[in-house]
Amino acid sequence: GNSVTQMEGPVTLSEEAFLTINCTYTATGYPSLFWYVQYPGEGLQLLLKATKADDKGSNKGFEATYRKETTSFHLEKGSVQVSDSAVYFCALFLSGSARQLTFGSGTQLTVLP
Amino acid sequence: DAGITQSPRYKITETGRQVTLMCHQTWSHSYMFWYRQDLGHGLRLIYYSAAADITDKGEVPDGYVVSRSKTENFPLTLESATRSQTSVYFCASNSKGLADTGGTDTQYFGPGTRLTVL
Repeated sequence: GNSVTQMEGPVTLSEEAFLTINCTYTATGYPSLFWYVQYPGEGLQLLLKATKADDKGSNKGFEATYRKETTSFHLEKGSVQVSDSAVYFCALFLSGSARQLTFGSGTQLTVLP
Repeated sequence: DAGITQSPRYKITETGRQVTLMCHQTWSHSYMFWYRQDLGHGLRLIYYSAAADITDKGEVPDGYVVSRSKTENFPLTLESATRSQTSVYFCASNSKGLADTGGTDTQYFGPGTRLTVL
């Protein structure tokens, strides 16, 4: 079946540090890949997405590149801010009869001033 | 207000009681979903609906019932709540229609309902 594996958290960084959150997937086919962010007390919001191999999704300084050869979609940001503290979820979608997202377990990020 | 809303935001109930969580979206999206979020498990799909009067089970449907008589509403009912159903529940809707066969999908999430079963 389809699955998403994220690096375990929590991750704690100082402001302006470089961020990487690893995400790998297993899928039968060619999925679309997503990163969602959940701020404290809120629902999930789409952060970025990529629909095919070598696509790069980007938003708010975050980037992730769809790597088919390594089945990965790692999230990166060059300089994190305190306001980036949140839980980050990697997810995949495969076309079919149901528009289901498969989520990773989430990675808690805390950025300290 | 436009968007996707859930009610109540917080609910405490007792084992064995029936509880209904409400979800309403104003976009007329065809697809709607219910997830539960538990520490260490991420989000797990409970039920989804492709359109009014069409529903199907997700990964963890046991103990839950859904209905979708109108496109904009997708209530989730716990027929006899158990402690293991203590969780945060998220409703979501999808921007693609039933006829779409490919491309990307963006799911929009409600703010969640925190349910505690004592």
